Amino acid sequence: AQKITQTQPGMFVQEKEAVTLDCTYDTSDPSYGLFWYKQPSSGEMIFLIYQGSYDQQNATEGRYSLNFQKARKSANLVISASQLGDSAMYFCAMRPRSQGGKLIFGQGTELSVKP
Amino acid sequence: EADIYQTPRYLVIGTGKKITLECSQTMGHDKMYWYQQDPGMELHLIHYSYGVNSTEKGDLSSESTVSRIRTEHFPLTLESARPSHTSQYLCASSGGINEQFFGPGTRLTVL
Repeated sequence: AQKITQTQPGMFVQEKEAVTLDCTYDTSDPSYGLFWYKQPSSGEMIFLIYQGSYDQQNATEGRYSLNFQKARKSANLVISASQLGDSAMYFCAMRPRSQGGKLIFGQGTELSVKP
Repeated sequence: EADIYQTPRYLVIGTGKKITLECSQTMGHDKMYWYQQDPGMELHLIHYSYGVNSTEKGDLSSESTVSRIRTEHFPLTLESARPSHTSQYLCASSGGINEQFFGPGTRLTVL
């Protein structure tokens, strides 16, 4: 079965601190991609970061980094130096190669940044 | 910033009406997708297209239909809207394996 699991429905973090959002996945495909998106209350999906299953290094994009542990099938998102504008829903998604371009999404984590 | 557009952004309509949600992209992407999302929930794929005149149903069953007559345009139609269709509809496109860009979404309310 192809599945993404996000076990944290809600998270709180103090402004300027780092936070880790958990994501585990299940697939039998040897080739797949992992994505993180941010969804503010306005509803649009903002692409944050991508990790390919064969990538040797963890992906980083500015304050976002992806802690990819292939053996554990986890792809946690780390946000450093949290800002108030980071408050939003965060979705982890997987694209198994056998599924073409289709994304499978997790349930999401709602992050709240406290001043 | 991705160039993918959806109209309308918000739509409130009565039961039984026919509606078309528009989606267009200017990136020349072959692959386009429609996802449905209930508030606070995950996205579910309802339709996808890998090119002109190619459309497939997604993992979540939907009464909507789609067409792909031009590369840049991927409209979604509901022939007879019902309250159960109330949801957010997100259109996306991709040109490579490491990307998928979303439009701003349409929030549909059927009374």
